[in-house]
Amino acid sequence: GESVGLHLPTLSVQEGDNSIINCAYSNSASDYFIWYKQESGKGPQFIIDIRSNMDKRQGQRVTVLLNKTVKHLSLQIAATQPGDSAVYFCAENIGSGAGGTSYGKLTFGQGTILTVHP
Amino acid sequence: EAQVTQNPRYLITVTGKKLTVTCSQNMNHEYMSWYRQDPGLGLRQIYYSMNVEVTDKGDVPEGYKVSRKEKRNFPLILESPSPNQTSLYFCASRNRNGMGTQYFGPGTRLLVL
Repeated sequence: GESVGLHLPTLSVQEGDNSIINCAYSNSASDYFIWYKQESGKGPQFIIDIRSNMDKRQGQRVTVLLNKTVKHLSLQIAATQPGDSAVYFCAENIGSGAGGTSYGKLTFGQGTILTVHP
Repeated sequence: EAQVTQNPRYLITVTGKKLTVTCSQNMNHEYMSWYRQDPGLGLRQIYYSMNVEVTDKGDVPEGYKVSRKEKRNFPLILESPSPNQTSLYFCASRNRNGMGTQYFGPGTRLLVL
């Protein structure tokens, strides 16, 4: 069936380096993508999102890139800090529609563990 | 403070004993969802609700029921729990125009013996 997956289950970086977390999706009908961060013992926390009519979106220290040709999504974290250590999930939504309407159904990837060493 | 609350946070039960996990949000959000999280499988959506009395199945609805009688509450019901429902459960909510900004509850860890 259609699914969202991750290339790398773990990523270790040094403090101050840039981090790139990758995600592959297989459903060409997916039109909205979200990255979440989950710290140990907590629920997921929204980081950044992107619609399929965009190929790049920037937030504070984070950038999401979308390549629809190869169905690939990435999250770039600049100047990674120890507080960024967490599990990162990508999620896709099918048929979110124009004007903000949505069917509410999200499919999550398995997650990547990011460890930042001081 | 804007939040999603779940109760109980931890629960140990036995096979077949009906249980309910409550979820409540104070942000007047239309959308609410339930997820389960299992090692190696990530977060999987169980059910979601787009408004009062409007619910739909997610990816893994078998063995679960939900109801949305009030906007703020979205309880998850396990009529006859089985050991394969041992998991970490998260409730989430968002407003209809805030797709990504789901607010997640703190999680409920369930063990079914």
